Amino acid sequence: GAVVSQHPSRVICKSGTSVKIECRSLDFQATTMFWYRQFPKKSLMLMATSNEGSKATYEQGVEKDKFLINHASLTLSTLTVTSAHPEDSSFYICSARGSGDTGELFFGEGSRLTVL
Amino acid sequence: GQNIDQPTEMTATEGAIVQINCTYQTSGFNGLFWYQQHAGEAPTFLSYNVLDGLEEKGRFSSFLSRSKGYSYLLLKELQMKDSASYLCAVSDSNYQLIWGAGTKLIIKP
Repeated sequence: GAVVSQHPSRVICKSGTSVKIECRSLDFQATTMFWYRQFPKKSLMLMATSNEGSKATYEQGVEKDKFLINHASLTLSTLTVTSAHPEDSSFYICSARGSGDTGELFFGEGSRLTVL
Repeated sequence: GQNIDQPTEMTATEGAIVQINCTYQTSGFNGLFWYQQHAGEAPTFLSYNVLDGLEEKGRFSSFLSRSKGYSYLLLKELQMKDSASYLCAVSDSNYQLIWGAGTKLIIKP
C-alpha cells in the first residue's frame, strides 16, 4: 500500500519558538493532504486540507497564522506551529488520499509536540 | 448536522468475539471506513464498505446497512494485540471524512 512518512515523530520545544512538521508521500503523488490534531483519548480533529500549489483550506476555529501549511510539491506538505505555547502540545497527524477508488487515507506516523 | 456514534469503551476476553457498532447521520454517503489506532500511534486502515453487506478480511469483518445508517466491526479470536481504539469514519457527499470518537477496546486474558 501507499506510504506516508511524517517527521519528526517527537519534538520538544520552548514556548515562543516555531516547529515544522513534514509529511511526505513516498511512493505516490498526493495532490491533497490532510492535517489532523488529536487530543488524548479523543478522535481526530481535521485542522486543514492542504492542496498542492494553492492555499490550504482551514477548518473553522483553526488559526491560519498559527498553523502555517505549505504544500509546495506533490509529495511534501509541511505544518509549522508558530510561536508555540503549551496549549499547542498535542499529537499531529497528516494523511494523504490514495489513488484508488475507495478514497482510502494513508496516515503518517504522527508527531507528538510538547511545548515547555 | 453530521454525526457518528460508537461506544466509548468495550471490554472482551482473549480468544472471544467482539462487535463494535457505529451509527451515522451524514449529508451524503460515499463509504464507511474502520481504522485501528494503538495508543500513541497513527490510525491504520482496516476496512471499507460502500455497499450493503458483510466484508470479511481474516479475523476482522465489517458490515454495512445504508438504509439503517449502521455498521459494525466484528473481531474474532481476539488477541491481546487487538487492544486499541477503533475509529469509524464516513465519507460524506463531498468525500470529506467524518470521524467518530472511537471505541477503546480492552482485551483481558
